[in-house]
Amino acid sequence: QVQLVQSGTEVKRPGSSVKVSCKASGDNFSNYPVNWVRQAPGEGLEWMGRIIPLLGRADYAQKFQDRVTITADESSSTAYMELNSLRSDDSAIYYCARHLLATGGFDLWGQGTRVTVSS
Amino acid sequence: DIQMTQSPSSLSASVGDRLTITCRASQGIYNYLAWYQQRPGKPPKLLIYAASTLLSGVPSRFSGSGSGTDFTLTISGLQPEDFATYYCQKYNSVPFTFGPGTKVDIK
Repeated sequence: QVQLVQSGTEVKRPGSSVKVSCKASGDNFSNYPVNWVRQAPGEGLEWMGRIIPLLGRADYAQKFQDRVTITADESSSTAYMELNSLRSDDSAIYYCARHLLATGGFDLWGQGTRVTVSS
Repeated sequence: DIQMTQSPSSLSASVGDRLTITCRASQGIYNYLAWYQQRPGKPPKLLIYAASTLLSGVPSRFSGSGSGTDFTLTISGLQPEDFATYYCQKYNSVPFTFGPGTKVDIK
């Protein structure tokens, strides 16, 4: 069974960085883009960016362009999202999600990683 | 960037009701539109892609339509497990923007 398993809860200080991982199991990791989506408490879904592991190419939402880096390690089937210069409003649940290009939409999601930014 | 809007932002309904949620893109996106359901404390769940194609395993009471800029999600015969928040999303090109969501709760 294909799964995306994310790393655990993080508590960070303002100005620091966080790196969240997303490990794929049960499928060929390189076959599909991996996206990162966040959701602040009580708010909607916000697309942050994606990586296409086979190409090693990442695309980012303009809002996060200067602060986020998405990478992938094909050898371990793991994608990473690093967010820098954290602020309190970065407190959210961060999800990774698979985008099946053959169909469309994000059909498989990680369980989410809660990141809290607090002094 | 293309903006996505949804209406209504929330609605109250009863089991058995038929309801329709609308999603609008600020520019044409052909049929590159997905619908998700999200229950509290859970990740989103893909229901429909390509505007009207039901993902395997999704109940047939869910249906989608539209193309270009205007899309609808219809639930025919609302079930207790359908009370959730629904999001549309464009995926024709990055950024893969989501709509703001429609919360469906019990009347």
